[in-house]
Order: sequence, then C-alpha cells, then structure tokens
Amino acid sequence: GENVEQHPSTLSVQEGDSAVIKCTYSDSASNYFPWYKQELGKRPQLIIDIRSNVGEKKDQRIAVTLNKTAKHFSLHITETQPEDSAVYFCAANGDNAGNMLTFGGGTRLMVKP
Amino acid sequence: DGGITQSPKYLFRKEGQNVTLSCEQNLNHDAMYWYRQDPGQGLRLIYYSQIVNDFQKGDIAEGYSVSREKKESFPLTVTSAQKNPTAFYLCASSYLGGNEQYFGPGTRLTVT
Repeated sequence: GENVEQHPSTLSVQEGDSAVIKCTYSDSASNYFPWYKQELGKRPQLIIDIRSNVGEKKDQRIAVTLNKTAKHFSLHITETQPEDSAVYFCAANGDNAGNMLTFGGGTRLMVKP
Repeated sequence: DGGITQSPKYLFRKEGQNVTLSCEQNLNHDAMYWYRQDPGQGLRLIYYSQIVNDFQKGDIAEGYSVSREKKESFPLTVTSAQKNPTAFYLCASSYLGGNEQYFGPGTRLTVT
C-alpha cells in the first residue's frame, strides 16, 4: 500500500516569513494529493489539492508543488499569519480506485507574532 | 458545517464496555470512513465503506466494528477488545472517485 512521510513534524516561523512542508509518497500510482489544515480540537479541512497532471497550484498565499519523478510534494505558505498556526496533513490516494487516502504524520506550524 | 455530523463530542466509558460512535452525512456521498487520531499523530484508517451493506477493514481495524445499513449513516463500535481505545475519532465521507474527503467534527473518547 501507499506510505506517506511528512517533514518536519514541527515548524516555527516568524509572522510574515514563508513556511514549507514536504511530503514523500511511495506508490507511483497515486494521482491525488490533498493538504488538510486542522486547528486544535477541530476537524481537518481541505485547503488545497493537486492532481498528477499538474506540477504546481496556487491559491492566494498557499501553493503546492508536485514532483512525480521524485515522488514528493510540498506545501508553501507565504506571508504567514498567526491564524495559519495549526497542524497540516498531506495525503496521497495510492492505487485504490481513488477513494482512500493515506495521510502523513502531520506538521505543527507555529507562527510567532 | 459540511453536512457531516458526529455525536457525541465527548464520550467517557469504563474499560470493558463497548461504545458506539455516531456518524451521519447528508451530502449524498457514497463512501464513508473512520479514522483514529492520537495526540501528535496522523490519521489512521479504521474502516471504510463505499456502498450500503459493504465495508472493508483499514489499517487498524482490530477491536472495532462498523455497519452501513443506510447511505447516510456509518456508526463505529469500539469493543472491549480494543486495547487502547482512548483517542479522537474522525468520520469522513466522499463521492466515489471524488477523492476529496469531508470530515465530521470528531468524537473524543476517553476510556478509564
């Protein structure tokens, strides 16, 4: 099955700086890579996703890049704000008809004012 | 709130008791999932169902059971056979082949 590794496990940045979170996956059949944000005690919410037919996708201050050859993808947050503080999870769908997701271990991002 | 609900928000049980967590969705999604989240950990798949009356084990199904009698509902029973049941349990749903999963608010189960 699919295996997703996520780094770093914690990340502390100053407000206004950029943050980058990286994930690697093992199953070359994966073609869908979402990123979820989970605030303390809340449900994970999708913030951006990318499919294997594109290399980069942006949505305001967040972007995701995908390198299929190296089997890794990254989340980039620019101009970080205190409300960006949360746990971020990456995931990949593996070879399972597209429904199931395998999640990375999560990254706790702390944005210091 | 995305149309997927879980109840209760907090649940306390004594060791040796079975407990059932509720998950309901009105999104007309075919697929539903149960995940377990431990402090500082990622999401681990317990069970999933792609259609009524059918479900499959995920990575950590031991000590858990599910049913899918209705499209809208996917209850999870934590049995006394589950060695470490205290955790945050998240239910999710999606369209078949749709990939994006929508999560419920979660149930925090504490077993003492």
